[in-house]
Parts: sequence; structure tokens; C-alpha cells
Amino acid sequence: QTVVTQEPSLTVSPGGTVTLTCASSTGAVTSGYYPNWFQQKPGQAPRALIYSTSNKHSWTPARFSGSLLGGKAALTLSGVQPEDEAEYYCLLYYGGARVFGGGTKLTVL
Amino acid sequence: QLQLQESGSGLVKPSQTLSLTCAVSGGSISSGGYSWSWIRQPPGKGLEWIGYIYHSGSTYYNPSLKSRVTISVDRSKNQFSLKLSSVTAADTAVYYCARGGDGLDYWGQGTLVTVSS
Repeated sequence: QTVVTQEPSLTVSPGGTVTLTCASSTGAVTSGYYPNWFQQKPGQAPRALIYSTSNKHSWTPARFSGSLLGGKAALTLSGVQPEDEAEYYCLLYYGGARVFGGGTKLTVL
Repeated sequence: QLQLQESGSGLVKPSQTLSLTCAVSGGSISSGGYSWSWIRQPPGKGLEWIGYIYHSGSTYYNPSLKSRVTISVDRSKNQFSLKLSSVTAADTAVYYCARGGDGLDYWGQGTLVTVSS
């Protein structure tokens, strides 16, 4: 069974920079896994932020960026805002299958 | 602006079949190049991909749920549906529908389904 692993929790100060990562139990994450990133706030549906590693949706704030880093998919928030406090999920494509990571709870403090 | 809206029974008895529908507005479900997905989230837990269907009707399901899941499309009503059979308390979750375009780009607001007698 494929497992996608994210940091359970991270804390960042307002205005700071933080990187969240997404690892695959099958090995290094490449662009062929089409990493997606989502933000979810309490009581809300997930909101898509990044697709295909680094592509932003029209509604994605500029401070969010996606990349590959050390064999993992990465989501970097630069100039963090208080409203960025949320749960963040990655999603990887394994051929036709899709697997979500367990999520990272980001605290802005 | 594409919108998706889930609907269906909020309470299902154990061993019965969960049935949900996702109505799509602001776009045609028959448009090529898109898939239509179901995702769920148990209370207080993370997201789990259930499966998807292409406009062509071909499907792909989570292997852990495959024996119990059916996703179908009703083009005349511009909606797609989820059926999950033989449910247990472990199937209690918020169920989301989403479009697979540029990733999973558009999501419904979700609907809570509780499995209880």
C-alpha cells in the first residue's frame, strides 16, 4: 500500500517563510507524480493551490509556490499571513490512482 | 464559474448502500478532458480519494474500496453519482465531489454522511 507522508505540524511566524514537503513510500517524487497541493480551513472544503508540481490556479496567492526538493514535492509559503493558518494536503498521482498525504497543520504564531 | 453541489442521504444504516449525487453547474459534464472525482474525509481525519470517472465513462477506483464503489455519470442531468455498498461506521465522513482538470481544481462544499442504526 502506497503511503504519502507530510510533516504533521509546522509553526511559522507572520512574515516568515516555511516549506512543507510531501514524500512517497515508493521513492523519489518526480514531476510524473503531478503533485497537487490543497489548503483546508476548519469547516471548509479543500481549496486547490498548486497542480503539476508548480502551476498555480488563478486564485492562488503569489506567496505560494510549488517545487521538487530533495526527492519530495514541496510547498513554500513566503511572507506568511495569519490567514494562511490551515491544514495543507498534497496529492500524488500513481498512474490512474491518486493518494493524499496525511496533511500538515500549519500554525502562524 | 463552475460549481459542484453534493446531495443525498445524510444517514445510512450499516450494511446498506450509500448514495450521493454531485450536480455540476456552470459547465458541461460532457466536456472532454475532465474527470469527475469523489473524495471523503472522516471526522477529524485526512482526505481519502475514492475514485473518478471520465467523460467517456471509464472509471478508476481506490483499490481499498474498489469492491464496494460505483461511480456513474448522468449526462442528461449534468451530474455524477457515487454508490458505496455494505457500509460500516468507518464510512462515516464528509464526502466531496471535485473536477479533475488542472489537478482537482473545483470542489463541492461537501456533505456529511453518518452510518448508524
